[in-house]
Amino acid sequence: DTAVSQTPKYLVTQMGNDKSIKCEQNLGHDTMYWYKQDSKKFLKIMFSYNNKELIINETVPNRFSPKSPDKAHLNLHINSLELGDSAVYFCASSVGGSQETQYFGPGTRLLVL
Amino acid sequence: QKEVEQNSGPLSVPEGAIASLNCTYSDRVSQSFFWYRQYSGKSPELIMSIYSNGDKEDGRFTAQLNKASQYVSLLIRDSQPSDSATYLCAVKDWRYSSASKIIFGSGTRLSIRP
Repeated sequence: DTAVSQTPKYLVTQMGNDKSIKCEQNLGHDTMYWYKQDSKKFLKIMFSYNNKELIINETVPNRFSPKSPDKAHLNLHINSLELGDSAVYFCASSVGGSQETQYFGPGTRLLVL
Repeated sequence: QKEVEQNSGPLSVPEGAIASLNCTYSDRVSQSFFWYRQYSGKSPELIMSIYSNGDKEDGRFTAQLNKASQYVSLLIRDSQPSDSATYLCAVKDWRYSSASKIIFGSGTRLSIRP
């Protein structure tokens, strides 16, 4: 039983394309996150939603747009992909509020050619 | 200045020895500190959290916190080959209450040699 799942696991695409990554959690958590981990393994938060409300919105190009249709899902849409977007994108969830323990999904490895 | 700093390593430790991983942070108001382990190609997993000065032990792992020096460390006793991974030090940004914004260091790669 997967707690936090992401699709797809791998994504190879051309510059300029638009792509989406989906995330679902079955833990009943209220808060979900998107992180980007670059080639140097630096893990940085991008967005966080609490019960469908955007709480954290880091300095991320507006080509990246998160969407949370319900508290169990948080999707990430990326427009006009660039080479620098190549990274591993992790979704995570936590119980809610300031509860710190975050559970990470398996990651989506995005390669932009 | 980076918010959370770690030596990138690699840190090579013989099997059975103590591995010592260190981390410093810049925001002296921070209250919550974490160590995550990440195996190659896998996602991070939380192994320790610490909130008060001093030591916190969990099995072979001991986290140490010194808020005056803004320093967090992780000791792994009786190191095993399965401990070979990247260890991420993380600090919670205290300014958020509706979500938990965690700031990660760049990680220290640990290698346990048989």
